[in-house]
Amino acid sequence: AQSVTQPDIHITVSEGASLELRCNYSYGATPYLFWYVQSPGQGLQLLLKYFSGDTLVQGIKGFEAEFKRSQSSFNLRKPSVHWSDAAEYFCAVGYSGGGADGLTFGKGTHLIIQP
Amino acid sequence: DGGITQSPKYLFRKEGQNVTLSCEQNLNHDAMYWYRQDPGQGLRLIYYSQIVNDFQKGDIAEGYSVSREKKESFPLTVTSAQKNPTAFYLCASSEGTGGIYEQYFGPGTRLTVT
Repeated sequence: AQSVTQPDIHITVSEGASLELRCNYSYGATPYLFWYVQSPGQGLQLLLKYFSGDTLVQGIKGFEAEFKRSQSSFNLRKPSVHWSDAAEYFCAVGYSGGGADGLTFGKGTHLIIQP
Repeated sequence: DGGITQSPKYLFRKEGQNVTLSCEQNLNHDAMYWYRQDPGQGLRLIYYSQIVNDFQKGDIAEGYSVSREKKESFPLTVTSAQKNPTAFYLCASSEGTGGIYEQYFGPGTRLTVT
C-alpha cells in the first residue's frame, strides 16, 4: 500500500529564515504529490501539486517543492518564512490507477515560527 | 464562490446520542470524503463516495454511517457505537476518484462528546 512519511513532527524556524519540510513516499508508479497547509481549527488548503514535467513546482504563498524520484521525496521549501506561516503542513500522494479512496496523507509537520 | 461548507463549526453531544455532521459542496464534484483528525494522527479516512447512492468504508468506519442521496451532500452520522467520537471532522471533495485529483476541504466540525 502506498504511504507517506513526514519525518519531522515539529519544526521551529526563526522568522526570516529558510524552511524545508521533508516528505517521503512509498515506491509505486508515477506519483501525484501534494502539499497542504492547515491553520489551527481550519480545513486544509492546497499549496502546490506535482503531476509531471518540471520537478520544481511553485505554489502559493511563496512555497515551492522539488520532486526527486531517486530519493522518493517531495520536500517543501520557502526562502524566508513569515509568522503567518505557522501552521500544520501535510504531504499527500496518489497514483494513477490507484484506489478510489483517493490520496494518502502523511501525519503532518507542525511549523513553529519564533520571532 | 464554489466551495465546501460544513456545519456546525462546533458540536456538543452527550454520550449515547447519535449526531449528524453536515457537508455540502457546490463544486459539482463526483467524489466526497470524510476524515477524522486527532492530534498527532494526521487524517484518517472514515468513508468516501464516488457517486450518488454509493459509498465505501475507509480505514476507520466503525461507529459511523453516511448517505449520498444528492451529489452535493454527504452527511456523516456519528453513532453511539463510536467509542471515542470527540475529534475534528473534515469533509472533502474531488472532481473524480482515484489518486490523481486534488481534494478540496471544508472548514471542519469539532465534535465534543461528554
